[in-house]
Amino acid sequence: GDSVTQMEGPVTLSEEAFLTINCTYTATGYPSLFWYVQYPGEGLQLLLKATKADDKGSNKGFEATYRKETTSFHLEKGSVQVSDSAVYFCALKTSYDKVIFGPGTSLSVIP
Amino acid sequence: DSGVTQTPKHLITATGQRVTLRCSPRSGDLSVYWYQQSLDQGLQFLIQYYNGEERAKGNILERFSAQQFPDLHSELNLSSLELGDSALYFCASSVGNQGAFSGYTFGSGTRLTVV
Repeated sequence: GDSVTQMEGPVTLSEEAFLTINCTYTATGYPSLFWYVQYPGEGLQLLLKATKADDKGSNKGFEATYRKETTSFHLEKGSVQVSDSAVYFCALKTSYDKVIFGPGTSLSVIP
Repeated sequence: DSGVTQTPKHLITATGQRVTLRCSPRSGDLSVYWYQQSLDQGLQFLIQYYNGEERAKGNILERFSAQQFPDLHSELNLSSLELGDSALYFCASSVGNQGAFSGYTFGSGTRLTVV
């Protein structure tokens, strides 16, 4: 069935380090892909999205490219800040309109 | 403020009791989705309503039910509560049911603690 796999956390980085959070998916058809972020005590917020192969989603310095050949949608940021500490969820919307979330990856950025 | 309003923010209740969680979607959104977030299960889809009608069901227990009212707000009813029902319950909304989909808007959640 359709699924999303994320790298296990927690991930701990120093401020200004480079961030990669891996996300791979299994889905039939051509899903849309999303990254959501959940800050402590809050609901999930849409961070970025991509709807077709080779699309690059970007927002707030974060980027992810829809790679159909590797079924991946890895999240990257060149220089993380303490304020980026949160849980990041990769998600996909299937061709039959079901949205599936990954388990989430906790990121902690230390000064 | 995401525009999705959930009340109450916190709820503590005893086993066997019944509670109602409320959600008002973002203005203009017709679809409402309920999710349960727990440490061991992650984010689990419960149910979706679109313009007052149930559209999709996920891992929702028979003890749980939901509805969406004509003003588009939704309520999630949890009955015969068990300790394992303790979790964060999120409501999300989106504009449509199918077609162009730009992602969900989530509320800040209701933290339910069953003691």
